[in-house]
Amino acid sequence: EVQLVESGGALVQPGRSLRLSCKGSGFRLRDYAVTWVRQAAGGGLEWVGFIRATTHGQTKKYAASVEDRFILSRDDSEGVVYLQMNSLKTEDAALYYCTKGFTDHFAFSVSWGQGTLVSVSS
Amino acid sequence: DIVLTQSESLAVSLGERAIINCRSSQTLLYNSNNKNYLAWYQQKSGQPPKLLISWASTRESGVPDRFSGSGSGTDFTLSISALQADDLAVYYCHQYYDPPYTFGQGTKLEIK
Repeated sequence: EVQLVESGGALVQPGRSLRLSCKGSGFRLRDYAVTWVRQAAGGGLEWVGFIRATTHGQTKKYAASVEDRFILSRDDSEGVVYLQMNSLKTEDAALYYCTKGFTDHFAFSVSWGQGTLVSVSS
Repeated sequence: DIVLTQSESLAVSLGERAIINCRSSQTLLYNSNNKNYLAWYQQKSGQPPKLLISWASTRESGVPDRFSGSGSGTDFTLSISALQADDLAVYYCHQYYDPPYTFGQGTKLEIK
C-alpha cells in the first residue's frame, strides 16, 4: 500500500525557518516526482511546488508566493523529500500535504499524505 | 498563471446527476499528444484530497464509474450520476499543463 508520511510541522514565529520531511512507503519514492500542496484552515488547496525524480534532473518549480523562500530537495538514498521553508510569514500557516506524482516527470498528485500542520504566529 | 474557475457550491438531490464545471483561463490541451492536463479531486471533511480523474477523463482505479470527466481545451466537467450521500465533499479541478500548477477554488457539493 502506498503511504506518504509528512513530519516537521510546528508553531514558529514569523521570519523563522522550518523544514518539513516526507517519507514514502509501499513504493520507491526516488522513482517519482513529489509535490507539496497546502491548505489553510477552512480554505482551498494551494499548490506549493514540485521536485521531479533524479531521472529528470530533480527539476523544481514553485508557486510565486513561496519562490525564493522555500526550497525542495530529495535524498534518494533515504527515500525522503524535504521542504525547507525560510522567512516564514503568517500567510504560510496551513496543513502541508506531501503527494506522490504520476511518474518521474508528471507531478500531478496521485497519492496524498495526511499532512503536517504549520502555524506561524508571534 | 493559469486560473481555474469553479462555482462555489452546488445542491443536488440524492439519485440525481451532479455536474461540476471548471473553466481555464487558457487551453490545457497539449497538441503534441492531444491530452488535456487536468485532474479532478474529491475532498471529504477532515480528509486529504483523493484523485478521481486525470487527463480530463481517465478515471482512477477504484473510483466508481458514476464519476466521469469530460471536456477539452478550456472547459471541463465532472459528472456524478446517481448521487449518493457519500458523495458529499468539495471537488477541485487542477491543471498541470504549465507550472505554477493551480487548483480551482473548489465546488462544495451539497445534498438538496
